[in-house]
Amino acid sequence: DAGVIQSPRHEVTEMGQEVTLRCKPISGHDYLFWYRQTMMRGLELLIYFNNNVPIDDSGMPEDRFSAKMPNASFSTLKIQPSEPRDSAVYFCASSLRQGRETQYFGPGTRLLVL
Amino acid sequence: SQQGEEDPQALSIQEGENATMNCSYKTSINNLQWYRQNSGRGLVHLILIRSNEREKHSGRLRVTLDTSKKSSSLLITASRAADTASYFCAYLGGSNYKLTFGKGTLLTVNP
Repeated sequence: DAGVIQSPRHEVTEMGQEVTLRCKPISGHDYLFWYRQTMMRGLELLIYFNNNVPIDDSGMPEDRFSAKMPNASFSTLKIQPSEPRDSAVYFCASSLRQGRETQYFGPGTRLLVL
Repeated sequence: SQQGEEDPQALSIQEGENATMNCSYKTSINNLQWYRQNSGRGLVHLILIRSNEREKHSGRLRVTLDTSKKSSSLLITASRAADTASYFCAYLGGSNYKLTFGKGTLLTVNP
């Protein structure tokens, strides 16, 4: 298996622009998680899905952030409009059916908002 | 904050020495996991220990869990330069499936 795939790996954009991050989880994994990592706040869970349904989005910082999972093999995290304080590394992770086991992380998307 | 806390924040040792990192948490847990992150990369799962386990081994890794003290430790024996990375503990508690991560320990192993 190729593991969790994220794209793009790097994104540089200007404040106010829309940013879309993409994730393909490991086949057969029923849970998908979006995290954000910054030096100041560490690794934060933004939202997670179970069987394509958003279960907990309490970590989404504000309405500018939205996430979707239209099918079992694809998820997006969108920021509209983007702001400089959104600059961070965004990780997608997936785990097996039970959800209480190992999470497998993608390589991350490094976002810089100018 | 429910966040776990790793101790120390940074650790520098010589190749061949053992490295011990500690993690404390604040809630009851289902399991506790340790992850490794090389610079600029994603996190890689190392080991998972369940709340009813006290010790677990995997290769050069040894993890202990003391639920009465709400703490865990990760021991890496006979360290190598390639072990240089950040190490995070993450615990899962309650009825949800949210992992709470600590802020990590930056381990540097000098050749």
